[in-house]
Amino acid sequence: DTAVSQTPKYLVTQMGNDKSIKCEQNLGHDTMYWYKQDSKKFLKIMFSYNNKELIINETVPNRFSPKSPDKAHLNLHINSLELGDSAVYFCASSQDRRDRGGYTFGSGTRLTVV
Amino acid sequence: GNSVTQMEGPVTLSEEAFLTINCTYTATGYPSLFWYVQYPGEGLQLLLKATKADDKGSNKGFEATYRKETTSFHLEKGSVQVSDSAVYFCALGGSTSGTYKYIFGTGTRLKVLA
Repeated sequence: DTAVSQTPKYLVTQMGNDKSIKCEQNLGHDTMYWYKQDSKKFLKIMFSYNNKELIINETVPNRFSPKSPDKAHLNLHINSLELGDSAVYFCASSQDRRDRGGYTFGSGTRLTVV
Repeated sequence: GNSVTQMEGPVTLSEEAFLTINCTYTATGYPSLFWYVQYPGEGLQLLLKATKADDKGSNKGFEATYRKETTSFHLEKGSVQVSDSAVYFCALGGSTSGTYKYIFGTGTRLKVLA
C-alpha cells in the first residue's frame, strides 16, 4: 500500500492548458506539501497545508492553486501552463507542521509543457 | 535565514571506496538535520536524521554526525556499492520567520562504478 501516492506520474500538455495533479496519503499525517524539482534537481517548497489550512505559500505564480479537501488529500491546479512550469512535482507529508522525524515523499509527477 | 550548502557533484567512486559528501548549514535555534536519497525516477527517501547536537544518524551503512561547532552534517559510508548510485540531499528542518519548514541542499549525484 503506497504511503503517499500522486497521479498522474507523467503529464505532457500544451502551453496555455490547465491541468491538475492529485496527491493522497494514507499515513494519518496532518501536514502535506508540494515541492517543485527543476532539471538540476533543485527542490523548492511551494505550498504546505496543515489539516486543510494553508500554512506555507512561497512566492509561486498565482496560476498555481493548491486545494486540500481533507487532510489526506492535497491537489495542485495549474492554469495557463508555461514552458517554465516543466519540472517534477513532489507531494510529501509529515506527522505535523513541526515534525522532526522527516517527510514521506510521493514518487513525483513529471510535467512537460510543449 | 536558514540555509544548507552541500558539495557539488557528480562524485564518481569505485566499488568499495570510502564516501564523504559534505554538508554545512546556517540556522538559528536548534534545527533537525537529514539526509535523503533519490534513486532514478523515484521520490526522495529519508536515509538518516539527527535532531540535536552530537547525535549520529545511521542507516544502511551510511552515517552522519550533527556537529554544532562546525555547523556540519557530512554523510559518510565506508564501502560504497553500485546500488548506492543516486542523488543525495542534505536537508534542515527549522523555523524561519515563525514558520517551521525544511530546506534542501542542491543535491549531490553519486556514481559508483563496478
